[in-house]
Amino acid sequence: DQQVKQNSPSLSVQEGRISILNCDYTNSMFDYFLWYKKYPAEGPTFLISISSIKDKNEDGRFTVFLNKSAKHLSLHIVPSQPGDSAVYFCAAREGNEKLTFGTGTRLTIIP
Amino acid sequence: DTAVSQTPKYLVTQMGNDKSIKCEQNLGHDTMYWYKQDSKKFLKIMFSYNNKELIINETVPNRFSPKSPDKAHLNLHINSLELGDSAVYFCASSQRGIQETQYFGPGTRLLVL
Repeated sequence: DQQVKQNSPSLSVQEGRISILNCDYTNSMFDYFLWYKKYPAEGPTFLISISSIKDKNEDGRFTVFLNKSAKHLSLHIVPSQPGDSAVYFCAAREGNEKLTFGTGTRLTIIP
Repeated sequence: DTAVSQTPKYLVTQMGNDKSIKCEQNLGHDTMYWYKQDSKKFLKIMFSYNNKELIINETVPNRFSPKSPDKAHLNLHINSLELGDSAVYFCASSQRGIQETQYFGPGTRLLVL
């Protein structure tokens, strides 16, 4: 039973445009959400997070939106740059419980 | 300075062998984790230690035994390796709390022949 889902395995976006990565979850008790970015042959690196008491968190070019009623979060990257090409993982946690990861979306930025 | 390091980076071995993967973090965190990323790229937690005590133990075969000699180290020993153990194993660390963030090592690519 996959509680965190990233339904798009891949996404291609033109450089300079907005990249939108989506994540859906089923556990309404999740209260903290994170996005990780992963380059080949490296470990995931933390990108941005959001608590369930907020609906938006912004850090430079990266913004995460949380829609609790829809159990949906999204990561917006604008403007997209070639270095953003990577696999993006969404993760969620309930309290102090374990992190549950999605299966990732491979983002390719086209120059 | 590498925050979370793992050795070895690559490990190729025969079925039935016993092998260990080491992990060290220099972030001063109190919690460490082992994750397995399988062929479908699904990242799944295996174990978690907080201050050297086991706090998460997912459904993992007994052949996998974590050992935490101190807060900065969490090693993973695997007995009687099987073909299905081939995967990338990631170590991670965090400072335990409600909004904790986990920091990952570079991964160990294990191939069992």
